[in-house]
Amino acid sequence: QQQVKQSPQSLIVQKGGISIINCAYENTAFDYFPWYQQFPGKGPALLIAIRPDVSEKKEGRFTISFNKSAKQFSLHIMDSQPGDSATYFCAARTDVREYGNKLVFGAGTILRVKS
Amino acid sequence: NAGVTQTPKFQVLKTGQSMTLQCAQDMNHNSMYWYRQDPGMGLRLIYYSASEGTTDKGEVPNGYNVSRLNKREFSLRLESAAPSQTSVYFCASSNYNEQFFGPGTRLTVL
Repeated sequence: QQQVKQSPQSLIVQKGGISIINCAYENTAFDYFPWYQQFPGKGPALLIAIRPDVSEKKEGRFTISFNKSAKQFSLHIMDSQPGDSATYFCAARTDVREYGNKLVFGAGTILRVKS
Repeated sequence: NAGVTQTPKFQVLKTGQSMTLQCAQDMNHNSMYWYRQDPGMGLRLIYYSASEGTTDKGEVPNGYNVSRLNKREFSLRLESAAPSQTSVYFCASSNYNEQFFGPGTRLTVL
C-alpha cells in the first residue's frame, strides 16, 4: 500500500520544455515533503523540499507547488535540460517528534529530456 | 569528507547464503537507514536507527537484521538469502531533515 502516489511513471520532454511530476497523499500528519533526484548508478540526492504551510517553493528552475486541501504536490522543472534526465522521487514525512525522521517515497518518475 | 559509503558495490549470492552489507557515514549524523529499491516500487524502508544503540523495523523488515555498531556504522544482514531479496540496497543518514544516501549495493540472489 503506497502512502504517496506518484505519476507519471515515465516522462519524455523536449529540451526547453516544462516537466511536471505529480504526487498525492492521504495522511494529513505528513509535515515535510521533499523531492529527490537520482542519476543512474547513484544514490538519490535531495533536490528541493517544502512544508505544508506554504503553497510554493522555487529554487532556480525547480518549483514545488503544494495544495494542502487537495493533498497533492508537484514538481515543475522549467526550461528542462538533457542533464535533468534522471529518476525523481517525491516523499513525505510524519511528525518527526513521534515517528523519527522517516520518509515514505513515491514509486518514482523516470524523466528523459530530448535534445 | 566521504559522506555515506557502502560495501560491496555488487554481490551475487546463491539462495540460502548469508551476507552482511556494510555502511558508514562521516557526517556525525544520529539517524541511519536501510532501503531497498525495486523497479516501480520506489524506495522502501527496511530498518531504521534513530541513534546509536536503537533500531526499528521499517516497511519491509522480513528476512533482514541490522546492527548499529557505533554512531558511524550501520550494517544490514541477510541470514538466508532468497531470490525475492534481489534488489539495490541503499544506506542513508540524516540530520533533522535531509537524508544523505550512499551509492548503493546491487545484490542478485540466484
